[in-house]
Amino acid sequence: AQSVAQPEDQVNVAEGNPLTVKCTYSVSGNPYLFWYVQYPNRGLQFLLKYITGDNLVKGSYGFEAEFNKSQTSFHLKKPSALVSDSALYFCAVRDTGGTYKYIFGTGTRLKVLA
Amino acid sequence: EAQVTQNPRYLITVTGKKLTVTCSQNMNHEYMSWYRQDPGLGLRQIYYSMNVEVTDKGDVPEGYKVSRKEKRNFPLILESPSPNQTSLYFCASSSSGTTTSEQFFGPGTRLTVL
Repeated sequence: AQSVAQPEDQVNVAEGNPLTVKCTYSVSGNPYLFWYVQYPNRGLQFLLKYITGDNLVKGSYGFEAEFNKSQTSFHLKKPSALVSDSALYFCAVRDTGGTYKYIFGTGTRLKVLA
Repeated sequence: EAQVTQNPRYLITVTGKKLTVTCSQNMNHEYMSWYRQDPGLGLRQIYYSMNVEVTDKGDVPEGYKVSRKEKRNFPLILESPSPNQTSLYFCASSSSGTTTSEQFFGPGTRLTVL
């Protein structure tokens, strides 16, 4: 069975510092991995995805993520955090067996302190 | 404007009173999905549809029904709501055109069942 883990409920980082939001996954076969962000009282917005190819994926708002197959991780990163990055971040994996099943992590709240 | 709309945005109801949450997308997407978001549990997929008249269960389908009679609409039906279905619900859609397209989410429906 597929699964996604976000081990940190909350991450605090000072504005201007680099940030990392962690995600590990368990799938059979090659994973389709996604990051989404949820701002207060809003729906989720797509940030980036890994399907195949380069292990470093660049996405919206200066975010990037590194796919590490040996560690089964897909951590979200940004070189310099902004206060406006404060939000709830979700990692997700899509089934690769021809269905539209998605598994989301429990979410990590990022708080960027001014 | 490309969007996913949900109605109502907020609903308070009583146990056992049938309700329908509508979802509509204007992007001609083939894939649609319903999720519920609960604190500490992240998003969990309820049902999904890969085309008109094609629906399948996600991880938490019990107590819910869906239908996909038209490509743009994917209503979620609670025939006999119970308090444990109090949650924040999201509809999402995506294209089947590329290997794996990102999902576009609606603004959410906050449901309270008393």
